[in-house]
Amino acid sequence: EDQVTQSPEALRLQEGESSSLNCSYTVSGLRGLFWYRQDPGKGPEFLFTLYSAGEEKEKERLKATLTKKESFLHITAPKPEDSATYLCAVLPSGTYKYIFGTGTRLKVLA
Amino acid sequence: DAGITQSPRHKVTETGTPVTLRCHQTENHRYMYWYRQDPGHGLRLIHYSYGVKDTDKGEVSDGYSVSRSKTEDFLLTLESATSSQTSVYFCAISEGEQGLWKLFFGSGTQLSVL
Repeated sequence: EDQVTQSPEALRLQEGESSSLNCSYTVSGLRGLFWYRQDPGKGPEFLFTLYSAGEEKEKERLKATLTKKESFLHITAPKPEDSATYLCAVLPSGTYKYIFGTGTRLKVLA
Repeated sequence: DAGITQSPRHKVTETGTPVTLRCHQTENHRYMYWYRQDPGHGLRLIHYSYGVKDTDKGEVSDGYSVSRSKTEDFLLTLESATSSQTSVYFCAISEGEQGLWKLFFGSGTQLSVL
């Protein structure tokens, strides 16, 4: 069964304290792995797409990496405005049904 | 920002009444999705559409129906609302082509069934 597991469920960081969020996935084949940011009361906002193991993408303080079993979202020197829920999703091969993890709630303290 | 509009933004209804949520896009994307988001469950797919009049079920489709008579509009109907359908509903769109699979989401509809 295709599934996505994110950890930790919640994370509190001090401003400037770098860390990583994990997304483990099990799929028979992978079309793409996606990271989203979601602020309270809003819809998820697209961050990155990763297609194959070894691929990396960066945007400001965020860097996403992909292996055959998991993806990491690295947050370098986070700021309070990085506080949000980060969602991971996969699109298995042969389907257009995305599978989402339950997210990691990140709180960055000033 | 992708042109996706969900309506209404908030809805309070009573158990047993029918409810229709609307998703409207201005991007001419082929794929449209309805998700519900609940604490502890994340985003779960209700139904999706891959073209006008072409739809398929997701993992939590019981009690829901959808229709897509135009490319730009995707309607979600709760035939007879129940308290378990209290949730935040998100519409999403995708071009559905190689390298263009990312989803764009609407702002959501908060539905409360009393």
